[in-house]
Amino acid sequence: NAGVTQTPKFQVLKTGQSMTLQCAQDMNHEYMSWYRQDPGMGLRLIHYSVGAGITDQGEVPNGYNVSRSTTEDFPLRLLSAAPSQTSVYFCASTPRAAGLADTQYFGPGTRLTVL
Amino acid sequence: RKEVEQDPGPFNVPEGATVAFNCTYSNSASQSFFWYRQDCRKEPKLLMSVYSSGNEDGRFTAQLNRASQYISLLIRDSKLSDSATYLCVVNSPGGYNKLIFGAGTRLAVHP
Repeated sequence: NAGVTQTPKFQVLKTGQSMTLQCAQDMNHEYMSWYRQDPGMGLRLIHYSVGAGITDQGEVPNGYNVSRSTTEDFPLRLLSAAPSQTSVYFCASTPRAAGLADTQYFGPGTRLTVL
Repeated sequence: RKEVEQDPGPFNVPEGATVAFNCTYSNSASQSFFWYRQDCRKEPKLLMSVYSSGNEDGRFTAQLNRASQYISLLIRDSKLSDSATYLCVVNSPGGYNKLIFGAGTRLAVHP
């Protein structure tokens, strides 16, 4: 049982490049989400999914796309990287999609630098 | 005003000290409250949920004051291993399990 896994751990991009951050969980959790963490700002929700085939925007969705074709995987795509997207990205999952918030299980994070 | 506000610290305390963190939230309809712990360059991990009646887990005590919209975390008999950033987390009502994270309070426990 690996929990939530993220790849890559580190990435450097040039402005304008695109890439996909991978996230997978093996706990059969319904809910998955992507956050970014910047100094002094806490974690901010980018996109989330309440189940396969269903995604929605969070607080800071611009410049990012997501899809959820399976319960296990929730990739985050950067369409055209910008220096403002330099951040640490965390993927998280929770057993249930609705109701009161449950424990969020976080992946180890991806540290992205955009030059 | 931020939805969840915390004193960033750092709180520098000696081993054995008692330290308390407060956190305020803006949405009176929030119903779920948590403290997460984040070690340097690691992912956040749940420390404890915060219940209306207050709850304790070993050296850690969490309390909720709905009238004033703040939650607190008390750490007794601080250990070196308690050094970390403590994140206050509040749910965003009306959505699917959306959580709002505070920026965190940094604690440094020294010998």
